[in-house]
Amino acid sequence: SQQGEEDPQALSIQEGENATMNCSYKTSINNLQWYRQNSGRGLVHLILIRSNEREKHSGRLRVTLDTSKKSSSLLITASRAADTASYFCAKSGANNLFFGTGTRLTVIP
Amino acid sequence: DGGITQSPKYLFRKEGQNVTLSCEQNLNHDAMYWYRQDPGQGLRLIYYSQIVNDFQKGDIAEGYSVSREKKESFPLTVTSAQKNPTAFYLCASSIDYVKEQFFGPGTRLTVL
Repeated sequence: SQQGEEDPQALSIQEGENATMNCSYKTSINNLQWYRQNSGRGLVHLILIRSNEREKHSGRLRVTLDTSKKSSSLLITASRAADTASYFCAKSGANNLFFGTGTRLTVIP
Repeated sequence: DGGITQSPKYLFRKEGQNVTLSCEQNLNHDAMYWYRQDPGQGLRLIYYSQIVNDFQKGDIAEGYSVSREKKESFPLTVTSAQKNPTAFYLCASSIDYVKEQFFGPGTRLTVL
């Protein structure tokens, strides 16, 4: 499977703390994307990192990519209760994106 | 407003019936996708289309059918051959397959 894995499956933190989620994959990629899903809603694109990039920032989000280890991480700094959601990584394949199973983040006020 | 819409939001179906889920986008995107999501799970690709009048099977196409007669529309039919159709269905579109995907709000299908 090209989907790889995300870990942890679930993460619970206090508001103000940082949250780190990891994503691994098995085959080469063109890019890797992170998405957010609030319960019962569609996914929202957060950030795209290309295979020749190592780090990317967007507001409180920081994404890293290590192609030698075939892994990526998403860091959310200074978390807020509104960050509570599921976060998915998606790996670009030959003609599609392949989504992982996600990390369920709960931020406790 | 530009975006991608799905209807209906909730759908109930009796066993043995076919049902069609609507997906429309006004983003002028060439590529469109259908995913299925089961509780606590990731997204699994059902069908995708990279251009009008062409579509390809995804990982779990059995029991589903699609059409792409117009650029802005990509309806999904869940047929009676789908053994376990109760799920959350998400439609998405993108400029091309490597770019970010824009998702609709989803349709929750329940088979009674």
